[in-house]
Amino acid sequence: EVQLVESGGGLIQPGGSLRLSCAASGFAVSSNYMSWVRQAPGKGLEWVSVIYSGGTTYYTDSVKGRFTISRDNSKNTLYLQMDSLRAEDTAVYYCTMRKRPENYFDYWGQGTLVTVSS
Amino acid sequence: DIVLTQSPATLSLSPGERATLSCRASQSIISYLAWYQQKPGQAPRLLIYEASNRAAGIAARFSGSGSGTDFTLTISSLEPEDFAVYYCQQRSNWPLTFGGGTKVEIK
Repeated sequence: EVQLVESGGGLIQPGGSLRLSCAASGFAVSSNYMSWVRQAPGKGLEWVSVIYSGGTTYYTDSVKGRFTISRDNSKNTLYLQMDSLRAEDTAVYYCTMRKRPENYFDYWGQGTLVTVSS
Repeated sequence: DIVLTQSPATLSLSPGERATLSCRASQSIISYLAWYQQKPGQAPRLLIYEASNRAAGIAARFSGSGSGTDFTLTISSLEPEDFAVYYCQQRSNWPLTFGGGTKVEIK
């Protein structure tokens, strides 16, 4: 059974850094297309970043140069390093996995809340 | 970026009624569209992919249609558990984008 469990969220001051983790089970993170999707409080969904099985990464424009997606194959865990955080980064961050060939989000974790505030 | 506009923002219906949700793209996305359902406090769940294919385990009362720029999600007869927010998402171009959502609420 596929499971995704995020952790690492919390309250952080503007300009600070935070690293989110997503522990995966039931499949290999290294062999799959993994993304982070976020949702600001009371708002819609926004794709943030993706890492392909081959290691290629992409980011939405608003986080380029500030966020870094990575994975640890030995721990079967996905990460999102978030630097230079801004108030507008406040959101629930979901870890997702694509099962089919198309770029949709088949599996989701429960999410972790990041609040950027002084 | 491709903008997805969902309408209406809120749909007030009774159980047993038919729900018709719309998603319009700012340019053609062929049939590269998915629909998700999100209940309060939960992660979204994939319902429909490639405009009209039901994901595994999704009830037959959910159906998707459309191509090009206009897409529809239909719930043939609303069950109590269907009252939720629904989002569309396109995979035609990067960045992947979502619509703003339609809330289906109990009338």
